[in-house]
Amino acid sequence: DSGVTQTPKHLITATGQRVTLRCSPRSGDLSVYWYQQSLDQGLQFLIQYYNGEERAKGNILERFSAQQFPDLHSELNLSSLELGDSALYFCASSLSRDQPQHFGDGTRLSIL
Amino acid sequence: AQSVTQLDSQVPVFEEAPVELRCNYSSSVSVYLFWYVQYPNQGLQLLLKYLSGSTLVKGINGFEAEFNKSQTSFHLRKPSVHISDTAEYFCAVSAIGNEKLTFGTGTRLTIIP
Repeated sequence: DSGVTQTPKHLITATGQRVTLRCSPRSGDLSVYWYQQSLDQGLQFLIQYYNGEERAKGNILERFSAQQFPDLHSELNLSSLELGDSALYFCASSLSRDQPQHFGDGTRLSIL
Repeated sequence: AQSVTQLDSQVPVFEEAPVELRCNYSSSVSVYLFWYVQYPNQGLQLLLKYLSGSTLVKGINGFEAEFNKSQTSFHLRKPSVHISDTAEYFCAVSAIGNEKLTFGTGTRLTIIP
């Protein structure tokens, strides 16, 4: 158990819809990262938050947004969903720059 | 920018045989290196990390890796594999000062009884 909690585990929805994925980091970790794992793109970094502020952005689509709340949990919002958004979305957290990232079990998003 | 190459997409190995999973990286700055394992239908678990110091790094489950700066490699090894090692293994790199992880495409390790 990594200590990172992601909900829900599975999400099935239709094209054009909007969903919210939730992540609770390990106790004490200030940084939260979001990654997307798909068959064609592999594991890709989406975005990072540190103590409520956006710190780094990767290959995140404009239809996607995220935020980190004062209690340090984070949400990834995906809107105007397309079939190609079907993927496993991982959240990770770390204590600091020099510490490794610990991953949750992911949310599997299926777009029908 | 950093990149990671895992040349072997699949590696079949007999049980109790040794294994080496190859990882090469590219970066214009100093990096941290990681190996993660993903068991079927699970998340990523950290196997080991290289941050600094000794180039031979020992991780969990009997795995070790050696950082070779001149060859820009970080190959993962285990002297004797077990059925339970069947999983996908990902090599990852982050530039020092930049926490974003860049992953390789993964190597699927299959253990043959």
